[in-house]
Amino acid sequence: DAGVIQSPRHEVTEMGQEVTLRCKPISGHDYLFWYRQTMMRGLELLIYFNNNVPIDDSGMPEDRFSAKMPNASFSTLKIQPSEPRDSAVYFCASSLSRVGYGYTFGSGTRLTVV
Amino acid sequence: GQQLNQSPQSMFIQEGEDVSMNCTSSSIFNTWLWYKQDPGEGPVLLIALYKAGELTSNGRLTAQFGITRKDSFLNISASIPSDVGIYFCAGQGRSNYKLTFGKGTLLTVNP
Repeated sequence: DAGVIQSPRHEVTEMGQEVTLRCKPISGHDYLFWYRQTMMRGLELLIYFNNNVPIDDSGMPEDRFSAKMPNASFSTLKIQPSEPRDSAVYFCASSLSRVGYGYTFGSGTRLTVV
Repeated sequence: GQQLNQSPQSMFIQEGEDVSMNCTSSSIFNTWLWYKQDPGEGPVLLIALYKAGELTSNGRLTAQFGITRKDSFLNISASIPSDVGIYFCAGQGRSNYKLTFGKGTLLTVNP
């Protein structure tokens, strides 16, 4: 398996622009998680899906952030409009609904908003 | 909500030294996991622990699931430069598939 695939690896955008991050989970995994990582706050869970349905989005910072999972093999995290404080590394992870299984993370998208 | 306290926050060691880090929780977990994040990559699972008191090894890594189920430690023996990275602990409850992560331990190994 190719693992969790995220794109792009790096994104530099200007403040106010829309940013879309993409994720392809491991085939057969039924959970998908979006995390944000910064030096100050560490790994923060933004939102997670089970069987393509959003379960908990309480970690989404504000209305500028939205996430979708239109099918089992694709998810997006969108920021509109982007702000410099959104600069971070965003990770997608997927897992099976099996206690103790753990998550498999993608390589992340490093977002810089200037 | 559940919180994990991971310590130390960072470590600077010489190649060949042993390393120890730990996590404590205010809640009981049924599974403890340890991840390593290499620079520029996502976290990768190193060791999973499923039973209180369990001691598991993976090469130079040894991890233990505390008896109280509220703590875990990770030891690395004879460190090498490629051990550099951020180590995260994570706990999982009985019926909740969501992991709670510690804030990480940044390990630097001087050759």
